[in-house]
Amino acid sequence: DIVMTQSPLSLPVTPGEPASISCRSSQSLLHSDGFNYLEWYLQKPGQSPQLLIYLGSRRAAGVPDRFSGSVSGTDFTLKISRLEADDVGVYYCMQGLQTPFTFGPGTKVDIK
Amino acid sequence: QITLKESGPTLVRPTQTLTLTCSFSGFSLSATGLGGVGVGWFRQPPGKALQWLALIYWDDDKRYNPSLQSSLTITKDTSKNQVVLTMTNMDPADTATYFCAHRVARRRFDPWGQGILVTVSS
Repeated sequence: DIVMTQSPLSLPVTPGEPASISCRSSQSLLHSDGFNYLEWYLQKPGQSPQLLIYLGSRRAAGVPDRFSGSVSGTDFTLKISRLEADDVGVYYCMQGLQTPFTFGPGTKVDIK
Repeated sequence: QITLKESGPTLVRPTQTLTLTCSFSGFSLSATGLGGVGVGWFRQPPGKALQWLALIYWDDDKRYNPSLQSSLTITKDTSKNQVVLTMTNMDPADTATYFCAHRVARRRFDPWGQGILVTVSS
């Protein structure tokens, strides 16, 4: 199985400030189609997960442009340019390259 | 607009079989539908991370988490727009919120259902 790790596990952020979450995969997520099959989800308190980023850097429909994803080999980063109160929750990365799909442990983002 | 909703028992006894239904609208899992479409199942024990369980594609390709494969079965009923997950020999450790989600072009899960909390207890 592909192991996904995330850091930090907890991230207090002042509203209006940037935030960055790292995710690393134990092996390449590069598909033969040239895309990295890495997805980012946000689970707000008491809600189901919602898609933020797919294929490493593509924003899902309706996701604000303050969210961005980047790829460097097996290292993936989710950046929030300016945190808003509505962005609090647990952020998960997930590899979708091969089954079993696997998630990182999650990064809990809250307001400092 | 695509929506999914999980249904099933919220309390099961140890050793029983759990049957969960994901009812969806806004897309089709028929063989003539859009390629790459699927429905996946996940679970999340209280306070813990997400775990992928199983996935079925429009062409009836089925995938399972090997750690649970012996206890899982996923099927689809295209006429009812439903996907059913069964899990045998339930244990208190299987207590979790179970989610289904729409797989788009094999590249992302979007959207997700609201989830259903299943408690395994005698």
